[in-house]
Amino acid sequence: KQEVTQIPAALSVPEGENLVLNCSFTDSAIYNLQWFRQDPGKGLTSLLLIQSSQREQTSGRLNASLDKSSGRSTLYIAASQPGDSATYLCAVGIYNFNKFYFGSGTKLNVKP
Amino acid sequence: DGGITQSPKYLFRKEGQNVTLSCEQNLNHDAMYWYRQDPGQGLRLIYYSQIVNDFQKGDIAEGYSVSREKKESFPLTVTSAQKNPTAFYLCASSIEGDRGHSYNEQFFGPGTRLTVL
Repeated sequence: KQEVTQIPAALSVPEGENLVLNCSFTDSAIYNLQWFRQDPGKGLTSLLLIQSSQREQTSGRLNASLDKSSGRSTLYIAASQPGDSATYLCAVGIYNFNKFYFGSGTKLNVKP
Repeated sequence: DGGITQSPKYLFRKEGQNVTLSCEQNLNHDAMYWYRQDPGQGLRLIYYSQIVNDFQKGDIAEGYSVSREKKESFPLTVTSAQKNPTAFYLCASSIEGDRGHSYNEQFFGPGTRLTVL
């Protein structure tokens, strides 16, 4: 069974800092990987989707990379802002039956 | 605006009671999903449906039931057999339910918080 791990569980940084969130998965036979943002008590907002054939995706200040062979993905946030404070989750899609496995998330706090 | 709606936002259940959570999407997506989220944990898959009139159990289906009579709707019933139902429930959809592929992006609703009294 696919297991997805996100480290650290929580991160606090000053405003303006560049930061990296990590996601690792145990089975490299994935179809895609998706990064989400979740605000307290809210649903998930999709940030970036990387297909297994891709190595990275970019959207604004966000850049996500994928290394299937090592079972790792990173989400890079440039010039962090207090509005970036949220929990960030990654999810991997596997080949069978449209199933996705989620990490437990990294709770980010960007201090003004 | 296209999107996924869930209702109610908050739901309270008494012991022995069945409750139904609503999920509706107007994105014309084939696949729909129900997840459960507990504090400090990732999402766990309860049920998913790739097309109308078809659905599959996820990793934690015991005590739950679903139906998929319309493409737009995928209600979840939490039965009295679910012994620990207090959690945040999230519904999601993706554009294509082609069996064997999960390459499409998932979109989520705002969630329903269920509390057992």
